[in-house]
Amino acid sequence: EPEVTQTPSHQVTQMGQEVILRCVPISNHLYFYWYRQILGQKVEFLVSFYNNEISEKSEIFDDQFSVERPDGSNFTLKIRSTKLEDSAMYFCAAGAFFGQGTRLTVV
Amino acid sequence: EDQVTQSPEALRLQEGESSSLNCSYTVSGLRGLFWYRQDPGKGPEFLFTLYSAGEEKEKERLKATLTKKESFLHITAPKPEDSATYLCAVQAWSNNDMRFGAGTRLTVKP
Repeated sequence: EPEVTQTPSHQVTQMGQEVILRCVPISNHLYFYWYRQILGQKVEFLVSFYNNEISEKSEIFDDQFSVERPDGSNFTLKIRSTKLEDSAMYFCAAGAFFGQGTRLTVV
Repeated sequence: EDQVTQSPEALRLQEGESSSLNCSYTVSGLRGLFWYRQDPGKGPEFLFTLYSAGEEKEKERLKATLTKKESFLHITAPKPEDSATYLCAVQAWSNNDMRFGAGTRLTVKP
């Protein structure tokens, strides 16, 4: 069983629309993370989440982004008013273990 | 500022030809150094965590080593299925996130 399950695997959205990316991590980790990887570039840290609160965030994680853990198991990343440059793979991680990612394409 | 530099960017090997990948890092207080394998369109697959200089870990044909300035991922007698991008990341005591290098794209030809 994978440590982290992400849905959807691929999301296509119109520029300006809101998207919600979902993650179900194995619950025995303390820290959860969101990272992104633009095609051909490095994996970049977005935000870490501990004890149901944001513990750290990068410069990338601006007001356009938000994270929630609505029910104690699911973990979501919301991107408001998507831009073309938000197109990337988004990875959720529980500790050192990554999910398979959501490929977000903004058109 | 924490930095991770991986070399070479790309490496082509013949099956059975052993080699090493390098990860040089600068970090203010290393909490852990991580190696991952990433296949195209997939998430990073965890391989190893190293915590202190002198530490070594092995898994099948892979062995990771760590010094105070760099880490090596040694690949012994590689097979075509070892072809992937290998990522190195560091985590400092001062924060919780991992800082990644750009990766080494390994191709193993039969």
